[in-house]
Amino acid sequence: AQSVTQLDSQVPVFEEAPVELRCNYSSSVSVYLFWYVQYPNQGLQLLLKYLSGSTLVKGINGFEAEFNKSQTSFHLRKPSVHISDTAEYFCAVRRISASKIIFGSGTRLSIRP
Amino acid sequence: DGGITQSPKYLFRKEGQNVTLSCEQNLNHDAMYWYRQDPGQGLRLIYYSQIVNDFQKGDIAEGYSVSREKKESFPLTVTSAQKNPTAFYLCASSETSGSTDTQYFGPGTRLTVL
Repeated sequence: AQSVTQLDSQVPVFEEAPVELRCNYSSSVSVYLFWYVQYPNQGLQLLLKYLSGSTLVKGINGFEAEFNKSQTSFHLRKPSVHISDTAEYFCAVRRISASKIIFGSGTRLSIRP
Repeated sequence: DGGITQSPKYLFRKEGQNVTLSCEQNLNHDAMYWYRQDPGQGLRLIYYSQIVNDFQKGDIAEGYSVSREKKESFPLTVTSAQKNPTAFYLCASSETSGSTDTQYFGPGTRLTVL
């Protein structure tokens, strides 16, 4: 079975500071990895996904994530955050050939001016 | 504009009543999904459908039912058998149920049981 652990439930940062949201997964088989963002009282929007190839994946809104197979991690980063990045971020994993996505418990990113 | 609509946005229900949440998509997607979201938890899969007239239970199907009579519609009924139905419900769709396909989410319905 697959599982996803988001190590921080909340991450406060100052505006224009860099941020890293951590995600670790466990799986005995190869997986695809995703990061989604959820703004207050809205649905989820895909930020980026890793399927294969380059381990550094660039997404929307200036976010990027690096797949590290040896550490089973898929951390999300942004070099300079903006107030508009305030949201909850979900890491997710999906076994290759599976229909189901397994979501982490989420990390709430709060930006201080 | 293509997308997923969910209605209503907020829903209140008395204990013991069944209630149906609507989900419609005009993306021509084959696969549709229902998730439940509780504070401090990730999304948990209730039901999913890979094609019209077919659906499978997810991880927390007890107390819920669905139908998929049309490609664009996947309504979820929360029955009185669901012990703790107060939650945020999200509907999603993807082109197919293939594992590389992106799931697109609707805006959600917040259900409160009084």
